[in-house]
Amino acid sequence: SQKIEQNSEALNIQEGKTATLTCNYTNYSPAYLQWYRQDPGRGPVFLLLIRENEKEKRKERLKVTFDTTLKQSLFHITASQPADSATYLCALDAPLLSGAGSYQLTFGKGTKLSVIP
Amino acid sequence: GAGVSQSPRYKVAKRGQDVALRCDPISGHVSLFWYQQALGQGPEFLTYFQNEAQLDKSGLPSDRFFAERPEGSVSTLKIQRTQQEDSAVYLCASSFQTSGVADTQYFGPGTRLTVL
Repeated sequence: SQKIEQNSEALNIQEGKTATLTCNYTNYSPAYLQWYRQDPGRGPVFLLLIRENEKEKRKERLKVTFDTTLKQSLFHITASQPADSATYLCALDAPLLSGAGSYQLTFGKGTKLSVIP
Repeated sequence: GAGVSQSPRYKVAKRGQDVALRCDPISGHVSLFWYQQALGQGPEFLTYFQNEAQLDKSGLPSDRFFAERPEGSVSTLKIQRTQQEDSAVYLCASSFQTSGVADTQYFGPGTRLTVL
């Protein structure tokens, strides 16, 4: 079965530095990989989607890379701010077992990022 | 409303009770997903609807779990004879998803279920 590992449960960094979070997966070749942010008591919020034929995607201070050979995605937050403190989840799109043309998401456990002022 | 809403936000049940959790997706969204999130874990897929059709229920942990979306909008997740291991946050997500296209999922705030 698919397995997703996010390299650390918690990551503490100093404000202004670049945070790098890692997502590794096995037993699957996803067409897409997504990153979500989750704050305590709230549902996940979509950040970025990267396709298997894309190596890099950027959105403001966020950058995602996708290496299908290494089966790894890296998520970077540059010039980090205390407001970036949250849990970040990576998720793979997978075809539904029913064969319907839609996708469920398989999530990693998440990495809790704390940006220290 | 502007986003996905879920009710109740918190539910405490005694073991053996039945519970019903409601999800109001974003208007016009075709697809609706239910996820279960245990403490310290990522969300785990439970079931998926496309309009009123339940196309995948492979993630439902047992036959005590039942979901419906009779009119293709509001959905209800029902858990019968609740057990302590059912304690978790239940998340609903919707997307304007058409066949064969992966799309952004918009999540509700979740219902935190505690079974005593």
